[in-house]
Amino acid sequence: TQLLEQSPQFLSIQEGENLTVYCNSSSVFSSLQWYRQEPGEGPVLLVTVVTGGEVKKLKRLTFQFGDARKDSSLHITAAQPGDTGLYLCAGFNTNAGKSTFGDGTTLTVKP
Amino acid sequence: DAGITQSPRYKITETGRQVTLMCHQTWSHSYMFWYRQDLGHGLRLIYYSAAADITDKGEVPDGYVVSRSKTENFPLTLESATRSQTSVYFCASSGQGRGWSEAFFGQGTRLTVV
Repeated sequence: TQLLEQSPQFLSIQEGENLTVYCNSSSVFSSLQWYRQEPGEGPVLLVTVVTGGEVKKLKRLTFQFGDARKDSSLHITAAQPGDTGLYLCAGFNTNAGKSTFGDGTTLTVKP
Repeated sequence: DAGITQSPRYKITETGRQVTLMCHQTWSHSYMFWYRQDLGHGLRLIYYSAAADITDKGEVPDGYVVSRSKTENFPLTLESATRSQTSVYFCASSGQGRGWSEAFFGQGTRLTVV
């Protein structure tokens, strides 16, 4: 069983601060996805990273895939209250045909 | 409307009853998934399907049954509901290929077993 560990589990910061969320595994993934989930809703895809070392930016969010494709990070610059939510990473294994999800990071951004 | 829809959104049932949660997608995605989400456990895969008439177990399949006679539908049945199956259930679909997978999730069904 492939495991994904996310840290921190909870994060509460003030508006305007920067933060980084980590997603680590001992397994290699074909790709890794980041999702954001709001209360009462299903997760929504933010980004997919495929190549080792890849960096993708989505406005104030920067996603990086580790060189060995075992880990990833999500960095948010100047966090806004609208960034509040549960952030989930998911590693996809082509051979298994399915994804493994981390337990998530609950982010609260206070105005 | 295009997308993935789950029904019902909320369900309360009694221990021992059979319950079926419905999932319908309009993208013709080949893959469909059922997850449960509990506090402290994140999303755990119950069953998934690579195509019509092809299903496979995930991490936590015990007590659940799935079928997929049509590409667009993937119902999940709890044969005899137990309190431990109280959870939020999410259905997802994916058009996988080229080594990557992006899943699109429904809004979830909150199931309470009393």
